[in-house]
Amino acid sequence: GAGVSQTPSNKVTEKGKYVELRCDPISGHTALYWYRQSLGQGPEFLIYFQGTGAADDSGLPNDRFFAVRPEGSVSTLKIQRTERGDSAVYLCASSKQSGAGETQYFGPGTRLLVL
Amino acid sequence: DAKTTQPPSMDCAEGRAANLPCNHSTISGNEYVYWYRQIHSQGPQYIIHGLKNNETNEMASLIITEDRKSSTLILPHATLRDTAVYYCIVRVVNDMRFGAGTRLTVKP
Repeated sequence: GAGVSQTPSNKVTEKGKYVELRCDPISGHTALYWYRQSLGQGPEFLIYFQGTGAADDSGLPNDRFFAVRPEGSVSTLKIQRTERGDSAVYLCASSKQSGAGETQYFGPGTRLLVL
Repeated sequence: DAKTTQPPSMDCAEGRAANLPCNHSTISGNEYVYWYRQIHSQGPQYIIHGLKNNETNEMASLIITEDRKSSTLILPHATLRDTAVYYCIVRVVNDMRFGAGTRLTVKP
């Protein structure tokens, strides 16, 4: 079946601009996660949704970052007033349900470059 | 979540078994051990996970010590395509905390 998809695959923007990154989870998966990966490091947790609600947003670095999942399927990560330090690969993952025993499946990521 | 310790890099000969160690001495009874790998420029790929028992699937085997303080991921017949960064994660909550992982290089 189809895996997690993310669009765009690459995004180049200028400092100060607004960007939106989209994630389409595996069909039927109720839990959705966003991670950020900087060069040479492991992925870092940002936010997790169970259904439509953000169950844990403790990883969002500041209030420029926001994510939504209005219908419990597709999610959008929004970054306002981008900074060069936001350049990274943004990864999305989904799992059938929430819980430590539920496997998360990752998408290919969106590479964001802020000039 | 408990912290994990992995060697930064390992080499393995093509066709031989690759044994990747992970220490998680502070693991608690309800924390799972997960293994993912990441091939350059791709998203992390799930390999295997376990709680207490050893596990095997089509990709690999996971051996967890009886005291659960360490584990080993075994790729039985490594190929060049297994060259990747391998992450060992112990997890009790919904998000996962990745460390730096082990960079495995399979050599011909």
